Amino acid sequence: SQTIHQWPATLVQPVGSPLSLECTVEGTSNPNLYWYRQAAGRGLQLLFYSVGIGQISSEVPQNLSASRPQDRQFILSSKKLLLSDSGFYLCAWNIGQESQAFFGQGTRLTVV
Amino acid sequence: KNEVEQSPQNLTAQEGEFITINCSYSVGISALHWLQQHPGGGIVSLFMLSSGKKKHGRLIATINIQEKHSSLHITASHPRDSAVYICAAPSYSGGGADGLTFGKGTHLIIQP
Repeated sequence: SQTIHQWPATLVQPVGSPLSLECTVEGTSNPNLYWYRQAAGRGLQLLFYSVGIGQISSEVPQNLSASRPQDRQFILSSKKLLLSDSGFYLCAWNIGQESQAFFGQGTRLTVV
Repeated sequence: KNEVEQSPQNLTAQEGEFITINCSYSVGISALHWLQQHPGGGIVSLFMLSSGKKKHGRLIATINIQEKHSSLHITASHPRDSAVYICAAPSYSGGGADGLTFGKGTHLIIQP
């Protein structure tokens, strides 16, 4: 079956520490994968998307980076977290022209 | 780029009331998503619909492609329905690697 896994669900990190959020999918190959962020009081905003291994597109400049080391793995990273990086991060898998999409459980990141 | 607007932003109702949340978008799409986000942040996909109406339990979603409008209804609302409800549409007509554009969400509170 087709599923998507995202972890951890919650994370509290100090300012200046590194970040690594992982997202993996099952039941498909060569998926389009996305990272979104929801800041307080705002809608989910696209950060990165990837159409294949090593292919990353960034929508907004920020303190974060993304990598696609394997076909079904998408990683969101930061070398040094800022307070403004706090928020809810969501991985999604979007398939084909009919826009069928699957969503991870999300990660609530608090930078202190 | 698709613009997605939701209303109301906040809604408080009494248990048992019929709830309606509205979503409008600016660019013609192939399908629209309704999502539920509970306190604590986890995202649950409720519906993906491209025409007409879908029903799941007490939840009903409708879409009018010509008017670029969708509604989510909750019948016999219950306190456990309290959550943020989010609609999302393909960022460009047809979806694909362009991802989804999310509304800011409707924060629903059902009081006992």
